[in-house]
Amino acid sequence: AQKVTQAQTEISVVEKEDVTLDCVYETRDTTYYLFWYKQPPSGELVFLIRRNSFDEQNEISGRYSWNFQKSTSSFNFTITASQVVDSAVYFCALSEANRDDKIIFGKGTRLHILP
Amino acid sequence: DSGVTQTPKHLITATGQRVTLRCSPRSGDLSVYWYQQSLDQGLQFLIHYYNGEERAKGNILERFSAQQFPDLHSELNLSSLELGDSALYFCASSVDPGATPRSYEQYFGPGTRLTVT
Repeated sequence: AQKVTQAQTEISVVEKEDVTLDCVYETRDTTYYLFWYKQPPSGELVFLIRRNSFDEQNEISGRYSWNFQKSTSSFNFTITASQVVDSAVYFCALSEANRDDKIIFGKGTRLHILP
Repeated sequence: DSGVTQTPKHLITATGQRVTLRCSPRSGDLSVYWYQQSLDQGLQFLIHYYNGEERAKGNILERFSAQQFPDLHSELNLSSLELGDSALYFCASSVDPGATPRSYEQYFGPGTRLTVT
């Protein structure tokens, strides 16, 4: 069965610190997609990244980076030099390619960046 | 701005009532998905429509139904409302999932916050 676990319910860091949000997933499929979404206080869900199961290269986008490790079924997200605007709830999600296109979300990690 | 629009933004209604939530997908997207976000259940997939046809059902109650119209907008109908239906309802859209390689980015609308009193 599909499952996404975000063990960190809430994290607080001081501005400019680096922070890593953990995501562990479970799937029986060999082809799947992993996602990260951001939900700022305004409530909308913002797509950050999609990674397919065949691409284990790490990705960097500005201050954001993602580490995908199939061996540990993890897809962790790091924010470097955090800023107050990064405060949000971050969701990791999984979709299996041979299923019905639905995305299974983790419970989310609430990130507080303190000034 | 994701390009997905949802109306209304807020809705307050009483138990036992029926409401309709509306979603317009991004231009060119044929798939529409509905999700419910509540404090206790988190983000739950409800239903997926592709080009007017139902593709998949998730944790959608029988009191809820949806449809996608020829112009691709979608409506989620919630009836016999209960207090526990109070939640944020998101619509998302994506490109044709049958495309190769399959693209699963789902772009979310701003949500409709439903309060049942």
